[in-house]
Amino acid sequence: QQQVKQSPQSLIVQKGGISIINCAYENTAFDYFPWYQQFPGKGPALLIAIRPDVSEKKEGRFTISFNKSAKQFSLHIMDSQPGDSATYFCAASVTGANSKLTFGKGITLSVRP
Amino acid sequence: KAGVTQTPRYLIKTRGQQVTLSCSPISGHRSVSWYQQTPGQGLQFLFEYFSETQRNKGNFPGRFSGRQFSNSRSEMNVSTLELGDSALYLCASSRTGSTGELFFGEGSRLTVL
Repeated sequence: QQQVKQSPQSLIVQKGGISIINCAYENTAFDYFPWYQQFPGKGPALLIAIRPDVSEKKEGRFTISFNKSAKQFSLHIMDSQPGDSATYFCAASVTGANSKLTFGKGITLSVRP
Repeated sequence: KAGVTQTPRYLIKTRGQQVTLSCSPISGHRSVSWYQQTPGQGLQFLFEYFSETQRNKGNFPGRFSGRQFSNSRSEMNVSTLELGDSALYLCASSRTGSTGELFFGEGSRLTVL
């Protein structure tokens, strides 16, 4: 049973465009939703995270939108750059056990120059 | 500030052997968690240690074990290796493991022949 599902599986975007990655979760106990970015040969790095008490959080070009009733959250990358080309993972956990992240399968984003 | 350090970075073993992987967390971080990353299953939580005690455990067989030392450094061990254990093993540290960001190392890539 996959508790966190990502879509699409891969994404190609032109430079300057908007990249949108969606995630759906099943466990209503989840209350911490981070997005991680991973470059080849590197470990994942936290990009941005949100808790369900807010519906949107923005940090620079990255925005998380959260829909608690639909159990969905998404990552928007504005003005996508070739340097954003990486694998993106959504994840979820329960406060008090944030080290036990349940990850989505990941999506490979390619930003074409 | 030094990041999470994992050793060795690459190793090759044969079926039936055992392997020990090491992780040095960021200074001041007391929580160390381990993840297995494979192309098919993505990132899966193995276990988390805090103050030398296993606090959370994922759904892996008993062949996977770990420990944490008083200086917060951690090791994980996989006994009786199987071909399916070939993966990137990632260590992550955080201050408490209860809330907030996980900082990942670059991983130890294990190949089982």
